[in-house]
Amino acid sequence: KQEVTQIPAALSVPEGENLVLNCSFTDSAIYNLQWFRQDPGKGLTSLLLIQSSQREQTSGRLNASLDKSSGRSTLYIAASQPGDSATYLCAVQLNTNAGKSTFGDGTTLTVKP
Amino acid sequence: KAGVTQTPRYLIKTRGQQVTLSCSPISGHRSVSWYQQTPGQGLQFLFEYFSETQRNKGNFPGRFSGRQFSNSRSEMNVSTLELGDSALYLCASSLVSSPNEQFFGPGTRLTVL
Repeated sequence: KQEVTQIPAALSVPEGENLVLNCSFTDSAIYNLQWFRQDPGKGLTSLLLIQSSQREQTSGRLNASLDKSSGRSTLYIAASQPGDSATYLCAVQLNTNAGKSTFGDGTTLTVKP
Repeated sequence: KAGVTQTPRYLIKTRGQQVTLSCSPISGHRSVSWYQQTPGQGLQFLFEYFSETQRNKGNFPGRFSGRQFSNSRSEMNVSTLELGDSALYLCASSLVSSPNEQFFGPGTRLTVL
């Protein structure tokens, strides 16, 4: 059974700092990994999708890496801003599980002005 | 292109009642997945529909059911509501049923009294 873990559960940083969020998964036979952002009481916004054949993806100040063999992914946020405050979730999809993503519990990020 | 829409956004029901939630995927997307999000259990997969057929199912009791229409819109039904069914219900759409990037709607907040 695929399990996804995110560490830390919560993170508070001053504005302008660079930070790294971690995601680990137990079954390395993933098809892809997706990072999401969720604001309180809202739906999920897709940030980055990494296919299993890729090592990283970048979008603006965000960079996500994937190491399948070790079962790890990181989300790097550069020059953090108060507007980055949200919960960040990672989710993996297996080759064999159509339409199903397995999620971690998320990291709640607070960026202080 | 319009995103995923879910109706209603908020619902209050009492124990024993039943409820139907609706999800309209992004135009052209044919796969719809449903998730339940609670503070204690996080995001859990309910089921996935593609071309009006349920392709995948999570570990939820039979009180949770769904269907998909020919225009890819999907409904989820919960019968005999319990207090523990209070949650944010999210649907996600993808182009196809195989592992693919998922796009989420804003969710339906269900409160069971």
